[in-house]
Amino acid sequence: NAGVTQTPKFQVLKTGQSMTLQCAQDMNHNSMYWYRQDPGMGLRLIYYSASEGTTDKGEVPNGYNVSRLNKREFSLRLESAAPSQTSVYFCASRGLNRGYNEQFFGPGTRLTVL
Amino acid sequence: GENVEQHPSTLSVQEGDSAVIKCTYSDSASNYFPWYKQELGKRPQLIIDIRSNVGEKKDQRIAVTLNKTAKHFSLHITETQPEDSAVYFCAASQQNYGGSQGNLIFGKGTKLSVKP
Repeated sequence: NAGVTQTPKFQVLKTGQSMTLQCAQDMNHNSMYWYRQDPGMGLRLIYYSASEGTTDKGEVPNGYNVSRLNKREFSLRLESAAPSQTSVYFCASRGLNRGYNEQFFGPGTRLTVL
Repeated sequence: GENVEQHPSTLSVQEGDSAVIKCTYSDSASNYFPWYKQELGKRPQLIIDIRSNVGEKKDQRIAVTLNKTAKHFSLHITETQPEDSAVYFCAASQQNYGGSQGNLIFGKGTKLSVKP
């Protein structure tokens, strides 16, 4: 049981390049999330998917798109990367564990945009 | 929508002392309050949580208290050790909802430093 996995762990992009961050969970959770974490800013929600086939904007969605490919996978795409998108990105999933909903995070992707 | 305030933003204690981190929330419908610990370079990990039908929960050296009337909850760490040094996040949500009401709303974090 791997929990929540993310690829890649590190990435350096040039301004204007595109890339997709991958996330997968093996806990059969319905809800999945993408957060970014910047120093002093805590965890800010970019997009979420309450269930397979649905996605919704969070607090800071501009410059990002998402795809809920199936129940396991939720990807985040940067179409034209900007230096302001330099951050650590965490994927998370939420679902039943020990009888009630709990949220678990992936290991993170550290992205630098030059 | 829900808003979670967390204090202090930094906390420094001597090894063996207690540490207390406090959070307030705004939405009286929130009924689930988890705490996450994030070590440097690692992912946030759930360390303890409390639901609105209880006022206190303990797990070894950590405890969480909840005051629903005042809409605040606190994390207490006793006999602190250097390995407790990390950033701690509180959060709030409506436990049984799958839509936006179920989303965790996080505080901005407290950086705890435990000095040997």
